[in-house]
Amino acid sequence: EDQVTQSPEALRLQEGESSSLNCSYTVSGLRGLFWYRQDPGKGPEFLFTLYSAGEEKEKERLKATLTKKESFLHITAPKPEDSATYLCAVRWGATNKLIFGTGTLLAVQP
Amino acid sequence: NAGVTQTPKFRVLKTGQSMTLLCAQDMNHEYMYWYRQDPGMGLRLIHYSVGEGTTAKGEVPDGYNVSRLKKQNFLLGLESAAPSQTSVYFCASSPLSPRGADGGYTFGSGTRLTVV
Repeated sequence: EDQVTQSPEALRLQEGESSSLNCSYTVSGLRGLFWYRQDPGKGPEFLFTLYSAGEEKEKERLKATLTKKESFLHITAPKPEDSATYLCAVRWGATNKLIFGTGTLLAVQP
Repeated sequence: NAGVTQTPKFRVLKTGQSMTLLCAQDMNHEYMYWYRQDPGMGLRLIHYSVGEGTTAKGEVPDGYNVSRLKKQNFLLGLESAAPSQTSVYFCASSPLSPRGADGGYTFGSGTRLTVV
C-alpha cells in the first residue's frame, strides 16, 4: 500500500538547537516529494519540491534532502517563528494527486 | 493577491442539512482538489478535477459531490451532512504540467465545518 510516514509526531526544540524531521515513503513511481509548512488555522504553505535521490534544496534555516526511500527536513539554529506543523507529501503514478503524511508538530522555545 | 479563495471560512450544520463549499482560483490552474484534514489523519483527498467539466473520486469521496462548471471554480457539496463530516476542508490547485507545480500546489485557507 502506498504510504507516507512522518516522524517524530511532535518535536520540541530550544532556540538554536538544530534537528531533523523525517518523511519515509513506500510509493512506487515517485514524481515529486513536497514539503509544506502549516500554521494553526491556515492552509499548507509550500516550501520545497524534490524529484530525485541526492537532490537538496535550501531556504533560510531549512534544508530538504531526498533519498530513494525517505526525505529529511533539516532545521538549523531554529527560531520561535519556525514553530509550525511540517507536512510531507508525495506525488506518484500518472496523476497529480498527493499523498500526505500526518505531519510533525514543531515547537521552538526561546 | 493571486491564490485560492475558499468560502465560507466557518459553518455549523445540523445533521441532515446540505451545503456547498466554494473554491475559486485565479492562477489559471488546470487541476483542482478538495481535501479534508482531521487530527491524526493528515490531509485526505475527497475529489479532484483535471479540467473544466471533469471530476474524479479521491480517497474518501462518500457523502460528497463536486462540480467544476468553470475552470476557476470547484464546488464541494454535502447533500445530507453527518457528524463524521465535521472537519477542516481545504481546496488546492495546481498547473497541468507536473514540473509546472515546482512552486507547489496552492492551498486555500480552509473551511472549518461542524456538524451537530
